Amino acid sequence: SYVLTQPPSVSVAPGQTARITCGGNNIGDKNVHWYRQRPGQAPVLVVYDDNDRPSGIPERFSGSNSGNTATLSITRVEAGDEADYYCQVWDVNGDHIFGSGTKVTV
Amino acid sequence: EVQLLESGGGLVKPGGSLRLSCEGSGFTLSRYWMHWVRQVPGKGLIWVARVNTDGSSTTYADSVKGRFTISRDSAKNTMYLQMNSLRVDDTAIYFCASDRGTGWFDPWGQGTLVTVSS
Repeated sequence: SYVLTQPPSVSVAPGQTARITCGGNNIGDKNVHWYRQRPGQAPVLVVYDDNDRPSGIPERFSGSNSGNTATLSITRVEAGDEADYYCQVWDVNGDHIFGSGTKVTV
Repeated sequence: EVQLLESGGGLVKPGGSLRLSCEGSGFTLSRYWMHWVRQVPGKGLIWVARVNTDGSSTTYADSVKGRFTISRDSAKNTMYLQMNSLRVDDTAIYFCASDRGTGWFDPWGQGTLVTVSS
């Protein structure tokens, strides 16, 4: 089955940019979605269809997707951005696949 | 406020059964595909099952196929996950989530914990 690979952790200073990668075979051919999960809370959609943001998600969150890597970028990182982040795709066989998750530490 | 509210979690012995519910509040479930996603505490998200808007089509992860059944009741604005032949490795927090048929999940419920243990 399709596998999405994320780095276990990313550390970033406040005000800097965090970049979280999601690797998959020809992932550029798929729509990639990203979720933020704070401790003890449910996941929240932050980017869908590679680079669209739901209402209420700040412009600091953006995505890109090409080749074998999709990337979630968070600019001007704040303490409140500290969370686990997951990428997700809808595979051709109908399954929904999540990445292993990346813990962002600010 | 749009909310999805799960219920039905608890402690069950291996081989036992449990039915989870996901009710919409301020949210009409019948307009959306609905999913169950689970998460072992401290681990990642795993997609479990999906049901389409009218309940006529369902899809399951291989790990639960033949044991779990996803369904929905539009009149009650509720979706269900019937879990049979439960195993220790089914222990997880189970989240319900909605999907406009586009493959992304929003919103999510708060989750309900299922513990399978003797």
